[in-house]
Amino acid sequence: QVQLQESGPGLVMPSQTLSLTCTVSGGSITSGDYYWSWIRQPPGKGLEWIGYISYSGSSYYNPSLTSRITISLDTSKNQFSLRLNSMTATDTALYYCAGVGGLDLNWFDPWGQGTLVIVSS
Amino acid sequence: FMLTQPHSVSESPGKTVTISCTRSSGSIDNNYVQWYQQRPGSSPTTVIYEDNQRPSGVPDRFSGSIDSSSNSASLTISGLKTDDEADYYCQSYDSSNQVFGGGTKLTVL
Repeated sequence: QVQLQESGPGLVMPSQTLSLTCTVSGGSITSGDYYWSWIRQPPGKGLEWIGYISYSGSSYYNPSLTSRITISLDTSKNQFSLRLNSMTATDTALYYCAGVGGLDLNWFDPWGQGTLVIVSS
Repeated sequence: FMLTQPHSVSESPGKTVTISCTRSSGSIDNNYVQWYQQRPGSSPTTVIYEDNQRPSGVPDRFSGSIDSSSNSASLTISGLKTDDEADYYCQSYDSSNQVFGGGTKLTVL
């Protein structure tokens, strides 16, 4: 059974770049069964898709965030990563990584436990 | 496009509740709809995928449907239990974006 675990800094300075990593266990990130996604949830608010990357390395981003995002694979470590630049207080959120599967690879499951990122000086 | 859900619904234990999810543009039946349950302090988990499929372990009290006439999807939970109290999110997509609904807080009282 595939499991995911996020890691990264809990505090980021305004204008800096956030770097998060998601470690996948129980399966290979290049197996073709999943795309690999990042989703965030501001405190007390709803879910926002950030973007995802395919098992072959093709990336797809939320149009509202695309200029600030990079998602990449590290096949040697079975991990994928998120970089989000020019951070502001509005980027404060719980950041989740998730596998994206299903018939047409649009079903977000499983999810990691999430990691809280606070943007503050 | 957007997915619009009611902000909150409430119902008594044992009753049935339906949560709607209306798509603002594009046809609801062109792309699958998923439903996620999120309890406080926990990650979302799937209760319905691909419009009306239940993952293993999700009781058949949970069902999903699509209504083309109203361009909406619905999640119905029957025989409500206090354990069903949670936030519920619908999710769908188009060729360039994945979209989550704003979430519905279900209170079972």
